[in-house]
Amino acid sequence: GAVVSQHPSRVICKSGTSVKIECRSLDFQATTMFWYRQFPKQSLMLMATSNEGSKATYEQGVEKDKFLINHASLTLSTLTVTSAHPEDSSFYICSATGTGGYLYGYTFGSGTRLTVV
Amino acid sequence: AQSVTQLDSQVPVFEEAPVELRCNYSSSVSVYLFWYVQYPNQGLQLLLKYLSGSTLVKGINGFEAEFNKSQTSFHLRKPSVHISDTAEYFCAVTPNSGGSNYKLTFGKGTLLTVNP
Repeated sequence: GAVVSQHPSRVICKSGTSVKIECRSLDFQATTMFWYRQFPKQSLMLMATSNEGSKATYEQGVEKDKFLINHASLTLSTLTVTSAHPEDSSFYICSATGTGGYLYGYTFGSGTRLTVV
Repeated sequence: AQSVTQLDSQVPVFEEAPVELRCNYSSSVSVYLFWYVQYPNQGLQLLLKYLSGSTLVKGINGFEAEFNKSQTSFHLRKPSVHISDTAEYFCAVTPNSGGSNYKLTFGKGTLLTVNP
């Protein structure tokens, strides 16, 4: 089945630094990738949608200059949290889908736990 | 726009008992429906999905769900749960017309706790 690899699984960084999270589709071409943020014991909040080769579309209230998304190839999308602060600490999850991805129910990465100290 | 309501935030049950996790949705267009399971500190795993056809959908790990269009519901059921089913369960929908890149709208989740 479709596999999405997300790295790192955990990262701790100092306040003010930037962190990059990678999301790779291993066995299919991901035409669309979604980035979510999940707070403890809460649902997933969609941050942005990215299509390969295009600029990401951010959801209302998500700072595009703070959360940089790049989807340069059909197998890789990255989320960079710039100038991270403690309030950015959260669980970030990516999801990838190919053409007609709804047929497969979308494939999620295993998530990245970001802690900003 | 779509919205998903999971009526129970927590459902405690005993091992080998049946369970039903409720999901209702609201949408002005037809939708596809999904149930996902999330174990602690992990991503989401698809349990089952409804795209079209038979309204009773069978998924992995013995779960099934029934789509009821008139009641706009998609409840998840399992006849006999195991300790290993303890996890967070999310119901999600997406428009079936491709609107918004098929992005998913999630419910708030239901924590299923199976006790011995």
